Amino acid sequence: DGGITQSPKYLFRKEGQNVTLSCEQNLNHDAMYWYRQDPGQGLRLIYYSQIVNDFQKGDIAEGYSVSREKKESFPLTVTSAQKNPTAFYLCASRENDGQETQYFGPGTRLLVL
Amino acid sequence: SQQGEEDPQALSIQEGENATMNCSYKTSINNLQWYRQNSGRGLVHLILIRSNEREKHSGRLRVTLDTSKKSSSLLITASRAADTASYFCATDTGNQFYFGTGTSLTVIP
Repeated sequence: DGGITQSPKYLFRKEGQNVTLSCEQNLNHDAMYWYRQDPGQGLRLIYYSQIVNDFQKGDIAEGYSVSREKKESFPLTVTSAQKNPTAFYLCASRENDGQETQYFGPGTRLLVL
Repeated sequence: SQQGEEDPQALSIQEGENATMNCSYKTSINNLQWYRQNSGRGLVHLILIRSNEREKHSGRLRVTLDTSKKSSSLLITASRAADTASYFCATDTGNQFYFGTGTSLTVIP
């Protein structure tokens, strides 16, 4: 059963704490993306990676960090520098060979305690 | 921001009616895509239209694209209660996607 998985489904962060959101795909896709969605809003790009060991900042990268050590994994860390982290986080992937569709995971909802 | 905008923000119709939502964007694009999101879930791809195409159909979906006006529309015909969701347009510039703000569609049985 191929697809993108995100974990956990819900995540709680305490003040000053770093938390890491997991994103794994078994679609053999080269490119992976992290988006943030606030209530009633569209998606805003945080970071993206076109290939292993390379990633680029999106529109709202401040307070976030990523790594891409393996093709199938693209974890997102929400650092303590992100002052308003409460949001729905979506991970997506797609091929780089001309396929244009993005495939999305089910999302992680991050809440601040 | 290069994010597009969608109109209307919310739409409520009776089952069987048609639903039309519009998307405007700001940059040159390779293609424009429409996605659907059920509440609290990930996005699901619906249909793609390339920059050199003007209209495309897929089942009950019809998409138009006017690159001179930087706008697109999505028509859902013969709507069903199961079509209730948020609908987003996304413009593909090659490296990045830029999503619109979404239209929340409610289909009343």
